[in-house]
Amino acid sequence: GAVVSQHPSWVICKSGTSVKIECRSLDFQATTMFWYRQFPKQSLMLMATSNEGSKATYEQGVEKDKFLINHASLTLSTLTVTSAHPEDSSFYICSASTGQGAYGEGYTFGSGTRLTVV
Amino acid sequence: DAKTTQPTSMDCAEGRAANLPCNHSTISGNEYVYWYRQIHSQGPQYIIHGLKNNETNEMASLIITEDRKSSTLILPHATLRDTAVYYCIVGDTDKLIFGTGTRLQVFP
Repeated sequence: GAVVSQHPSWVICKSGTSVKIECRSLDFQATTMFWYRQFPKQSLMLMATSNEGSKATYEQGVEKDKFLINHASLTLSTLTVTSAHPEDSSFYICSASTGQGAYGEGYTFGSGTRLTVV
Repeated sequence: DAKTTQPTSMDCAEGRAANLPCNHSTISGNEYVYWYRQIHSQGPQYIIHGLKNNETNEMASLIITEDRKSSTLILPHATLRDTAVYYCIVGDTDKLIFGTGTRLQVFP
C-alpha cells in the first residue's frame, strides 16, 4: 500500500529558531499533500493544502508567513515553522493524496512529528 | 461538508463486537462517509468508506441507514490493539476535516 514517511519523528528546538519537517510519499506520486496540527487530547486541525508546483492554500486562522509550506516535487512537501515559540509545540501530521480525490482510502498519513519548543 | 456527531468515548470487551455510531443528519446526496482511526501518537489510519450501501473489508463493516443520516462502524472481534480514537468524516471535497471522534477503549 501507499506509504508516507515523515521526518523527524520528534524535534526539540529553542524559542526563536526555525524547524523544517519533511513529508515524503515513498511509493507513489502525490499531487496534493495536507498538513495538520494536533494539540494534546484534541482532534486534528487542517492547516493547509499544498499542490506540487503551486502555492499552498491555508485554512482560516493559520499564519502563512509562520508556517511555510513547499511542495517542490511530487514526492516531497516540507513544513517550516519559523521563529518557533512554545505555543507552537504540537504534533504535526502530513497526509498525501494518491489522486483518488474524494475517496477516503486515497489519503495516507505520515506518522507525525512531535515538536517541542523550549 | 456535513457535520458529524459521535459519542466521546466507549468501552468494549476484548473479543466482542465494537459498534461505533455516527450521526450525520445533514449529509448531502453525493457525500461519502469515511472512517479513520488514530492510535496514540500516530498518524490516522484509513478503515473504510461508503456512500449508500453497507460495506465490509478485512478491518471492519460499515452500516449506513437508508436515509443516510447515520452510520455504524463495526469491529467484529475487538482486540486490545483496536484501542484508539475513531473518526467519522463526511464529505465529497478533496480534503478530510476531522471532528472530535470516539475514544474506544478495549479492555481484557
